[in-house]
Amino acid sequence: GNSVTQMEGPVTLSEEAFLTINCTYTATGYPSLFWYVQYPGEGLQLLLKATKADDKGSNKGFEATYRKETTSFHLEKGSVQVSDSAVYFCALNTGGFKTIFGAGTRLFVKA
Amino acid sequence: DTAVSQTPKYLVTQMGNDKSIKCEQNLGHDTMYWYKQDSKKFLKIMFSYNNKELIINETVPNRFSPKSPDKAHLNLHINSLELGDSAVYFCASSQERDRTQHQYFGPGTRLTVT
Repeated sequence: GNSVTQMEGPVTLSEEAFLTINCTYTATGYPSLFWYVQYPGEGLQLLLKATKADDKGSNKGFEATYRKETTSFHLEKGSVQVSDSAVYFCALNTGGFKTIFGAGTRLFVKA
Repeated sequence: DTAVSQTPKYLVTQMGNDKSIKCEQNLGHDTMYWYKQDSKKFLKIMFSYNNKELIINETVPNRFSPKSPDKAHLNLHINSLELGDSAVYFCASSQERDRTQHQYFGPGTRLTVT
């Protein structure tokens, strides 16, 4: 079946550090891939997405590239801020009625 | 202008009680969902409705009953509440037939059962 595996957290970084959160997937067909972010006390919101192989999604300085050969969609940011502290979810959608979410990775950024 | 709204935001109740959570979306989507998020932030899908029809029911106890009076509303009723029901419940919506579309989430309802 379809699945998403992302690195366990928490991830703790100092401000301006480089961020990578790994995400790999298993899917039949041609999924779209998403990163959602959940700030404290809020619901999930879309951060970025990529709908086909080699696409790069980007938003707010974050980016991720859809790599079909390695079935990966790693999230990166060159310089994190305290305001980036949140839980990040990798997800996939193959067009059915169910989006598959990873377990979430909590990020703490220290000033 | 809230896209997906839920009420109430907080719900504190005692074991054995019955409670409801309401959800509304104004995005014109045809699919709505209920998720349960535990204290470790793990997100578990509970139900999905497409055009008012139940299409996903993920081994949720019978005490949980969703109801969709129309495409814009999806409510969740919980009977005989148990301690283990304490969690944050999220409603979401999407145009799910299109795999490129993402889900829009409500702000969540934090349920505490004492």
